[in-house]
Amino acid sequence: EVQLVESGGGLVQPGGSLRLSCAVSGFTFSTYWMTWVRQAPGKGLEWVVNIGPDGSEKYSVDSVRGRFTISRDNAKSSLYLQMNSLRAEDTAVYYCAKGARAPDSWGQGTLVTVSS
Amino acid sequence: DVVMTQSPLSLPVTLGQPASISCRSSQSLVYSDGNTYLSWFQQRPGQSPRRLIHRVSNWDSGVPDRFSGSGSGTDFTLNISRVEAEDVGVYYCMQGSHWPLTFGGGTKVEIK
Repeated sequence: EVQLVESGGGLVQPGGSLRLSCAVSGFTFSTYWMTWVRQAPGKGLEWVVNIGPDGSEKYSVDSVRGRFTISRDNAKSSLYLQMNSLRAEDTAVYYCAKGARAPDSWGQGTLVTVSS
Repeated sequence: DVVMTQSPLSLPVTLGQPASISCRSSQSLVYSDGNTYLSWFQQRPGQSPRRLIHRVSNWDSGVPDRFSGSGSGTDFTLNISRVEAEDVGVYYCMQGSHWPLTFGGGTKVEIK
């Protein structure tokens, strides 16, 4: 059974940093693209960033480029999202998902709140 | 960026009746490999999104066959042949053919 479990969310002040983690099991992590998608409170889904199987390819939405960094540790079957210079508009539930162009499995999400 | 436009925003449906959601993209979703990366996701209240359909019309495992996807190029549709109570939630289309990947705004399905 495929499982994705996010952690690391919380309350952070504007300009602060946070690192999200996603622990996966049930599939060969090192062979799949991975994705972070976010959902602001009461809003729709927004794709944030992708990473290729070996970590060499990455794509991100303009609004987070230069502030958010995706990475992975294939030995630990873990995905990460380092978020710096956080803004109020980054407040959202962050989901990690398996796959790139059509993510087929999603975690339960972790809430990030950016507020003073 | 490719804009995904869903309609309607809200869809009240009688149990057992059909429902249809439209999704239009601002440019063709045919990718260079010949595939069309258009997916449909269901998000029930309080839950994570779940993929129902990928590459326009391919069901995911465990998805009831009352759901079907169709379309091509820039116009796509998700049909529910007979709505059941468990189908309540928000439905999103998503294109995976062009970076940045983009979602439609969502269609809320509710029971009349």
